[in-house]
Amino acid sequence: DAGVIQSPRHEVTEMGQEVTLRCKPISGHNSLFWYRQTMMRGLELLIYFNNNVPIDDSGMPEDRFSAKMPNASFSTLKIQPSEPRDSAVYFCASRPDRDLVETQYFGPGTRLLVL
Amino acid sequence: LAKTTQPISMDSYEGQEVNITCSHNNIATNDYITWYQQFPSQGPRFIIQGYKTKVTNEVASLFIPADRKSSTLSLPRVSLSDTAVYYCLVQRDTGRRALTFGSGTRLQVQP
Repeated sequence: DAGVIQSPRHEVTEMGQEVTLRCKPISGHNSLFWYRQTMMRGLELLIYFNNNVPIDDSGMPEDRFSAKMPNASFSTLKIQPSEPRDSAVYFCASRPDRDLVETQYFGPGTRLLVL
Repeated sequence: LAKTTQPISMDSYEGQEVNITCSHNNIATNDYITWYQQFPSQGPRFIIQGYKTKVTNEVASLFIPADRKSSTLSLPRVSLSDTAVYYCLVQRDTGRRALTFGSGTRLQVQP
């Protein structure tokens, strides 16, 4: 199993540009989560999906952030327009509903720098 | 969600046993205790989960007293590669829930 795949691994962009982060969850996993990690705020949930449906997006900072999951094997997190304060590591995680324990499998993350 | 408190950092030497204690005074009946490990430049990784008493796997042991208001992650004979941040989480039973991470404990293992 390849694990959760995220792309790109690193992204440097200028303020005002659109940024799209991509995630491929582990095959067969029903839930997908987007987290953001910064030194100041630690790891925080942005949004999560179950069976491709957004369940909780209360962590999405503002309207500049949007996330989609068009099918079970792909999700995107888009920032438009990007701002320097969006600089962080963005993690995608997935888990199967059948698990009795709350185990999430994290991807390697996308390190975003907005100049 | 129950709030967790754990030391910000710990230092150890190779070969020693490391115990990281987490306080969760307002843990609820349906809550489980889970520990994750995060290496630099990687996503968190599940280590162990328990409800009460003791749980052991190939990586660590988790000790939970009867009142469940705290838990201790025990790493036997640490090596340099155990240098990481360790997060204690309290999660409400099972289901499609997101994880709430605290600040974690930064463990530094010295040679």
